[in-house]
Amino acid sequence: SQELEQSPQSLIVQEGKNLTINCTSSKTLYGLYWYKQKYGEGLIFLMMLQKGGEEKSHEKITAKLDEKKQQSSLHITASQPSHAGIYLCGADSVSYSGAGSYQLTFGKGTKLSVIP
Amino acid sequence: DVKVTQSSRYLVKRTGEKVFLECVQDMDHENMFWYRQDPGLGLRLIYFSYDVKMKEKGDIPEGYSVSREKKERFSLILESASTNQTSMYLCALLPRVGANYGYTFGSGTRLTVV
Repeated sequence: SQELEQSPQSLIVQEGKNLTINCTSSKTLYGLYWYKQKYGEGLIFLMMLQKGGEEKSHEKITAKLDEKKQQSSLHITASQPSHAGIYLCGADSVSYSGAGSYQLTFGKGTKLSVIP
Repeated sequence: DVKVTQSSRYLVKRTGEKVFLECVQDMDHENMFWYRQDPGLGLRLIYFSYDVKMKEKGDIPEGYSVSREKKERFSLILESASTNQTSMYLCALLPRVGANYGYTFGSGTRLTVV
């Protein structure tokens, strides 16, 4: 089964600083999702990457998928207290080209704290 | 946007009780999932369903069952609750297969078994 390793496990940054969270897969990623979770709540979809070398941005958050499709990074520019939470990467177990279960496997998450 | 509603945010049950966790979507999508989330272990898939009356085991189905009698409702059942089932339970839905469509999650049910 696919395993996803996230690093770091936790991160404390000063407001205004940039930061990067990494997600590494043991297998080729067919679809890589980034989610944010506030404590005790559900997951909010941020972005999905599918092609090698793909990069997407939403407000101050940028996600990239490497060419080999085994590593993704999430970069936050000029962090704010509203960015605090747990960031999780998730990956599909099969490609979209065929029938499959479309189950998501998740990393264990990166807890981000932003100090004002 | 599709909405996924979990009926309870917090639940406290006794050991041995039969527990029902409900998940309802407001549209007509096929793929629904139940995960549990535990510190240090992340999210783990319990069961999923592709359509009415169809169900598949995930990675940790033991001690759980599911029911999908109508497309909009996917229920997780703890046949005889145990303390090791204390966890955060998250229901998810896949609105559409393909790029740029993320899984939509409910707000979660934090279950405590005493």
